[in-house]
Amino acid sequence: QVTLRESGPALVKPTQTLTLTCTFSGFSLSTSGMCVSWIRQPPGKALEWLALIDWDDDKYYSTSLKTRLTISKDTSKNQVVLTMTNMDPVDTATYYCARIKVGAGLEFDPWGQGTLVTVSS
Amino acid sequence: DIQMTQSPSSVSASVGDRVTITCRASQGISSWLAWYQQKPGKAPKLLIYAASSLQSGVPSRFSGSGSGTDFTLTISSLQPEDFATYYCQQANSFPRALTFGGGTKVEIK
Repeated sequence: QVTLRESGPALVKPTQTLTLTCTFSGFSLSTSGMCVSWIRQPPGKALEWLALIDWDDDKYYSTSLKTRLTISKDTSKNQVVLTMTNMDPVDTATYYCARIKVGAGLEFDPWGQGTLVTVSS
Repeated sequence: DIQMTQSPSSVSASVGDRVTITCRASQGISSWLAWYQQKPGKAPKLLIYAASSLQSGVPSRFSGSGSGTDFTLTISSLQPEDFATYYCQQANSFPRALTFGGGTKVEIK
């Protein structure tokens, strides 16, 4: 069974750096075709893709947020870490991690439960 | 980046109704499209991948169709547990810019 779980601070101050960890089980990110992505959702709004890291340690970022994001993995710990710099109240959102398994489709499945991050002074 | 436009943004329907949601891509994406269902306070759940393939465990009343720029999610007979928000997502740009539609909320009439 594949599961993912996000962890990190619930509250950050403006200008601070956010660090989120996705801890997963049921697959290895060193296996060919495996990827983990971060997606966020501001309250009452749509989903927004943020970043992806693949089995080969290649990294991809949202065009609009590229300068603020860093994604990394620790294969031995089954973790993927996302950092976002210079946080602003508009970054208040639920942050999800999800797996992509390259195959017939390229869909996010499954997803973690999400973690709500509020940006406020 | 490829833009995904869903319509309608919301729909009111009754149990047993047939509901159709449309997703249009700003450029051709072949069949690289997925549909998700999201209930309040929960993570999205995959329903359809590769435009028309039903995810394991998803009821057969859900179906997807389309290719290129125009796609449809159909719920053949709406059930009480289907009231939720639905999102499309394109993966033609994989592994970059995996964009979502704006969502369609299915509400009780």
